Amino acid sequence: EVQLVESGGDLVKPGGSLRLSCAASGFTFSYAWMSWVRQAPGKGLEWVGRIKSKTDGGTADYAAPVKGRFTISRDDSKNTVYLQMNSLKTEDTAVYYCATPSHQMANWGQGTLVTVSS
Amino acid sequence: DIQMTQSPSSLSASVGDRVTITCRASQSISTYLNWYQQKPGKAPNLLIYATSSLQSGVPSRFSGSGSVTDFTLTISSLQPEDFASYYCQQGYNTPFTFGGGTKVEVK
Repeated sequence: EVQLVESGGDLVKPGGSLRLSCAASGFTFSYAWMSWVRQAPGKGLEWVGRIKSKTDGGTADYAAPVKGRFTISRDDSKNTVYLQMNSLKTEDTAVYYCATPSHQMANWGQGTLVTVSS
Repeated sequence: DIQMTQSPSSLSASVGDRVTITCRASQSISTYLNWYQQKPGKAPNLLIYATSSLQSGVPSRFSGSGSVTDFTLTISSLQPEDFASYYCQQGYNTPFTFGGGTKVEVK
């Protein structure tokens, strides 16, 4: 059974940093393209970015609002994908989900809440 | 970036009703269109992928159609567990944008 478990959500001040983790199990993680999607309170879904498998280049793509501030990385030895968030803004407040695969997200974690507030 | 426009943003319906939600892309996305259902406090659930393919375990009352820029999700006979929000998403080009969502409420 595919399982994705996010962690690392917290309350952080504007301008601060946070790293989210998503631990995966139940599938061959090293082959998977992994995505991050967020949802602000009471709002719709917003794609954040995705990382390809290392065999497919291992590169990441990002949505415009987070490009240059957020970085997605992966550690295939730990079956974990990360979302490093820097220069956080109040508008980054959201539940952050990891999901897989990339083009059509059939498997999702339960989400982790990030609150950016002074 | 490809913009996804969903309509309506909300609708009221009764159990047994046929419900149709539309999604329009700002440019051609071939058939790279997915539909998700989301219930309050839960992660989204993939219903339909590649425009018309039913995800495993999803009831057959859900169906999808369309191509190029215009797509439709149909629920043939609305069930009590179908009251939820629905989102389309294009998987053609990054950024993989979502529609704004449709909330299906009890009439």
